[in-house]
Amino acid sequence: DIVMTQSPLSLPVTPGEPASISCRSSQSLLHSDGYNYLDWYLQKPGQSPQILIYMGSNRASGVPDRFSGSGSGTDFTLKISRVEAEDVGVYFCMQALQTRTFGPGTKVDIK
Amino acid sequence: QVQLQESGPGLVKPSETLSLTCTVSGVSVSSGSYYWSWIRQPPGKGLEWIGYVHYSGSTNYNPSLKSRVTISVDTSKNQFSLKVNSVTAADTAVYYCARLGSGDPLYYFMDVWGKGTTVTVSS
Repeated sequence: DIVMTQSPLSLPVTPGEPASISCRSSQSLLHSDGYNYLDWYLQKPGQSPQILIYMGSNRASGVPDRFSGSGSGTDFTLKISRVEAEDVGVYFCMQALQTRTFGPGTKVDIK
Repeated sequence: QVQLQESGPGLVKPSETLSLTCTVSGVSVSSGSYYWSWIRQPPGKGLEWIGYVHYSGSTNYNPSLKSRVTISVDTSKNQFSLKVNSVTAADTAVYYCARLGSGDPLYYFMDVWGKGTTVTVSS
């Protein structure tokens, strides 16, 4: 199995400031088609998860452009350019190269 | 608007079978463009992918659960279902159904989720 790790696991943020979450995989997620099989999901309090980023860096439809994904191979980053109060929740990375596995999640809350 | 809604017993006894249904509205489960999946989240823990089904009947399961899990689709009711055999307390979780849709280029991700349903395994 591909093991996913995230850091930090807890991230207090200040509205208007940037934030960054790291995700690492135990194996490269770079497929032979040239794409990284890595997604980011956000689970807001009391809600089901929602897609933010797919294939490492593609924003899903309707996702604000303050969210961006980068990285390749085994190291990936989710960045929020300016955090808003509605961005609180748990952020999960997930690999889709093999049997899908999720990272442990990063809890983002307001300082 | 595409919506998914999970339903089924909230309490299941150990060693019995957990059965859940996901009712889909706003899109046909017979659309070849999508796969239909189940994911679960034990209390206070992270997410675990269970598997998916295509309307054609093809399935893909998490190897860790494969021996106990069946996912099927009922096109006449626009639903898909999950069965987990021989459950234990470790199967206690919130169970989500989700649609696997594709972006551009063709790449599948969970783009629509149900609200989730809590299943407790206890005698």
